[in-house]
Amino acid sequence: GAGVSQSPSNKVTEKGKDVELRCDPISGHTALYWYRQSLGQGLEFLIYFQGNSAPDKSGLPSDRFSAERTGGSVSTLTIQRTQQEDSAVYLCASSLGATRTDTQYFGPGTRLTVL
Amino acid sequence: DAKTTQPPSMDCAEGRAANLPCNHSTISGNEYVYWYRQIHSQGPQYIIHGLKNNETNEMASLIITEDRKSSTLILPHATLRDTAVYYCIVRPLSDYKLSFGAGTTVTVRA
Repeated sequence: GAGVSQSPSNKVTEKGKDVELRCDPISGHTALYWYRQSLGQGLEFLIYFQGNSAPDKSGLPSDRFSAERTGGSVSTLTIQRTQQEDSAVYLCASSLGATRTDTQYFGPGTRLTVL
Repeated sequence: DAKTTQPPSMDCAEGRAANLPCNHSTISGNEYVYWYRQIHSQGPQYIIHGLKNNETNEMASLIITEDRKSSTLILPHATLRDTAVYYCIVRPLSDYKLSFGAGTTVTVRA
């Protein structure tokens, strides 16, 4: 079946601009995660949505970052007033949501470059 | 992941088995061993996970030592498409946050 999809695949923006990154999870998956991966760095957790529960935003690096999930499906990660240090690959993952350690399936990522 | 230690790189011949080691000497009783891989410019891909028993699926086998302090991921017949960074992760039952370390860069050569 269809996997996690993300758009755009690449985004180049100027410092100070806002960007929106989109994630379509696997159908039927109630849990959705955002991570980022900087060049040569490991995986950094950003935010977690599970059903109708309040999201875990503990990984968001600053208040310039926000995310929402509409209708329990599609999610959008918004970065306001982008900075060069925001340049990274932003990865979305989804899981069934039955347990906290369900297997997470990742999308291809959005490569963000802030000039 | 600071809880695991993997060799930085390894080569494997196409068609041969690739055995990827991982040390996790401080693993707790409620922590699973997970393996993911990441092919260049793609998102991480789940491979397999286990608690204490050996596991096998269509992609790989996972062998966990009896004391659970180490494990080995086995790719039975490596192909060029298996060239990737392989991440071994120790993950408690209560934590949904994944965290990757440096992993092992596996290069499969023809």
